[in-house]
Amino acid sequence: EMQLVESGGGVVHPGGSRRLSCAASGFTFSNYWMHWVRQPPGKGLEWVSRIKGDASHVIYADSVRGRFTISRDNAKNTLYLQMNSLRVEDTAVYYCIRDGDRYDFRNWGQGTLVIVSS
Amino acid sequence: QSALTQPASVSGSPGQSITISCTGTSSDVGAYDHVSWYQQYPGKAPKLVICEVSERPSGVSNRFSGSKSGNTASLTISGLQAEDEADYYCSSYTSTSTLWVFGGGTKLTVL
Repeated sequence: EMQLVESGGGVVHPGGSRRLSCAASGFTFSNYWMHWVRQPPGKGLEWVSRIKGDASHVIYADSVRGRFTISRDNAKNTLYLQMNSLRVEDTAVYYCIRDGDRYDFRNWGQGTLVIVSS
Repeated sequence: QSALTQPASVSGSPGQSITISCTGTSSDVGAYDHVSWYQQYPGKAPKLVICEVSERPSGVSNRFSGSKSGNTASLTISGLQAEDEADYYCSSYTSTSTLWVFGGGTKLTVL
């Protein structure tokens, strides 16, 4: 059974940094595009970033470009999101997602909460 | 403000059918058939229920169906059940620099 488990959430001050991880299992990780999607508490979903299976292609939402970096280690079956220059509006549950090859977000992790607050 | 527009809430009685609309633009919903729908229970991760406008992933009940006309996509749930009470989000691939956009979500109440 495939599984995605995020970690790394917590409280961080504005302007600070945080790295999220997503451990993947139950499928051939390197074969899949992966995404990060976030959801502020009580609000809707926002796509954040996507990375190709071999990490040769990455892309970001306008709201995080230049501050966030997506990466992966296929030997460790792990996806990362390095978040720098964090803002209060980055407070959200961050979900790691396996791409569905149909332009959809097929399989979701349980999410990890990042709170940006002074 | 979300890129795609959904009603904040809809409701229906058990056994009835409801439809949730998702209105975008000619850059997203109107341009591609890459519209998907997600069901989310409180405190849980979203779950894909419809992809590519009208395709049901394996394991999703055939009570869920999707369609699209112009810049508006729709999710229909027939034979409403208590377990369908949840938040529903639409999403579309887009030609803008932010590749995917979501709707603001619709809370479905089963009366």
